[in-house]
Amino acid sequence: QVTLKESGPALVKPTQTLTLTCTFSGFSLSTSGMRVSWIRQPSGKALEWLARIDWDDDKFYSTSLKTRLSISKDTSKNQVVLTMTNMDPVDTATYYCARMGSSTSAYYFDYWGQGTLVTVSS
Amino acid sequence: QSVLTQPPSVSGAPGQRVTISCTGSSSNIGTGYDVFWYQQLPGTAPKLLFYGNNNRPSGVPDRFSGSKSGTSASLAITGLQAEDEADYFCQSYDSSLSGNWVFGGGTKLTVL
Repeated sequence: QVTLKESGPALVKPTQTLTLTCTFSGFSLSTSGMRVSWIRQPSGKALEWLARIDWDDDKFYSTSLKTRLSISKDTSKNQVVLTMTNMDPVDTATYYCARMGSSTSAYYFDYWGQGTLVTVSS
Repeated sequence: QSVLTQPPSVSGAPGQRVTISCTGSSSNIGTGYDVFWYQQLPGTAPKLLFYGNNNRPSGVPDRFSGSKSGTSASLAITGLQAEDEADYFCQSYDSSLSGNWVFGGGTKLTVL
């Protein structure tokens, strides 16, 4: 049974750095073909993909946010960590981590965490 | 502005059939990348409805079906039920954005 759960601060101040942790079970990020992504969703709005990390430590970032994002993994703890620098009120959103599956032509998100709401406010 | 365009809302009566469109471009759906659909019930995380070529994860009823043509895709729901009331998002891959996985803006389905 695959599960993922996000954790981190509910409130951060503008200009601060956000650090979120995704703790998962039911699979290993040391297994070939495993990938985990972070996605966010402002309240009532669309989903936005942020970053991805693969079993071989390949990393990919949203073009629009790549200067502010960093993703890493701790395989021994079954965790993926996302950091986002210089937080702004527009970054207020629910942040999800999700495992990625693959079809013949693209990747998708087959298991999601419950999400964690992050509010950016002074 | 989402890379994939969906209607903000659709509605239907119980038992009816509704469709939700997802319009992309030549750099995503039109290139041949698969389109995936997610259902998000109020206050919950998105749930995968479709992957690959009309594949449904276990537990997803066959009332849900997908199709793709050119630069667009559609999700069809037949035999509409009250429990289908949710937000629906399409997702694909866009080759013009240096490797970004893109979503539609979401469609709110209301069961009348």
